[in-house]
Amino acid sequence: DSGVTQTPKHLITATGQRVTLRCSPRSGDLSVYWYQQSLDQGLQFLIQYYNGEERAKGNILERFSAQQFPDLHSELNLSSLELGDSALYFCASSFRTGESANEQFFGPGTRLTVL
Amino acid sequence: GQQLNQSPQSMFIQEGEDVSMNCTSSSIFNTWLWYKQDPGEGPVLLIALYKAGELTSNGRLTAQFGITRKDSFLNISASIPSDVGIYFCAGPKDSNYQLIWGAGTKLIIKP
Repeated sequence: DSGVTQTPKHLITATGQRVTLRCSPRSGDLSVYWYQQSLDQGLQFLIQYYNGEERAKGNILERFSAQQFPDLHSELNLSSLELGDSALYFCASSFRTGESANEQFFGPGTRLTVL
Repeated sequence: GQQLNQSPQSMFIQEGEDVSMNCTSSSIFNTWLWYKQDPGEGPVLLIALYKAGELTSNGRLTAQFGITRKDSFLNISASIPSDVGIYFCAGPKDSNYQLIWGAGTKLIIKP
């Protein structure tokens, strides 16, 4: 158990809908990262937050947005869903400082299926 | 931009065999991380390397930080069925601690 939690575990929805994925980082971790992994693909970095502020953006679609709250949990919002958005979405967190800040710890993921 | 090239893309192994895989880049990295992902699960950090030339073990797994700082190697000795999965290498892109990821090496047990 990495200490990172994600809810829900599975989500099935229809095209055009909007969903929210939730992540709670490990205790003490200030950085949260969101990744998308389509079937048999690698990890695509979406966005990073550090202590409530956006720190880095990857190939995140405009239909997707995220935020990190004062209690450090984070939410990823996906709107106007398309079939191609079906994927595993992972959240990871890392320690705040030092070389070990590069070590990211992953949650169990949310499997999104868009029908 | 920075890229990590992992090879091989996939490996068919027999139980008991030793396994080697590597990760290379045209850029220098100060940290190399190796993760394993089981199907449908989140990646799990196996080994972190911080010094050029460093050799670190975690059970039957041994990873090395290449002296040129442009490559890293992961070896698994005496493989067992639960070693099956995808192994990813990763390194930090910049001071934001964003990681660059290799495409993964898929380990499959021969029937």
